[in-house]
Amino acid sequence: GAGVSQSPSNKVTEKGKDVELRCDPISGHTALYWYRQSLGQGLEFLIYFQGNSAPDKSGLPSDRFSAERTGGSVSTLTIQRTQQEDSAVYLCASRAGHSYEQYFGPGTRLTVT
Amino acid sequence: AQSVTQPDIHITVSEGASLELRCNYSYGATPYLFWYVQSPGQGLQLLLKYFSGDTLVQGIKGFEAEFKRSQSSFNLRKPSVHWSDAAEYFCAVDVTGTASKLTFGTGTRLQVTL
Repeated sequence: GAGVSQSPSNKVTEKGKDVELRCDPISGHTALYWYRQSLGQGLEFLIYFQGNSAPDKSGLPSDRFSAERTGGSVSTLTIQRTQQEDSAVYLCASRAGHSYEQYFGPGTRLTVT
Repeated sequence: AQSVTQPDIHITVSEGASLELRCNYSYGATPYLFWYVQSPGQGLQLLLKYFSGDTLVQGIKGFEAEFKRSQSSFNLRKPSVHWSDAAEYFCAVDVTGTASKLTFGTGTRLQVTL
């Protein structure tokens, strides 16, 4: 079946602009995660959605970052007023409710110029 | 501080040679432990996981890992490396046991020479 998909695969934006990154999880997966992978910080957890529960936002680095998950499926990560330090690969993962295995998408490479 | 350590940033092995990638964690209790592989331009793929029980776990692609509580380690091994194993390998832990998030090590890049 289809895996986790993310769009766009690459995004170049100017400093100060807002960006939206999209994640389509595997159908039926109730949990969805966002991670950030950067040279300086490695792989960092950003946010976690589980069903209808309030998301765990403990990894969001600043209030410029937000995410939503509509209808328990697609998720959008929004970065407002982008900064150069936001340049990274943003990975999305999803998980079935009965499993501990997270399935990762290919990521969105964000470059802030 | 609680952490996951992968001491080797970069390892080079010859095709056919054995491989061991190190991972140590520093948490009070034994977390759930994972190894992921990331090929260039790809997302992460789960190789294997340990929750409890038998301390030697088998994974995909011929990989195995051994959990050693006394050493707080979860090292990844493969008896004979193939050129296609060249990738970056990440050790990860779930300290909550609720699958709420993973904490990753910094990764080990594996290069395979022919």
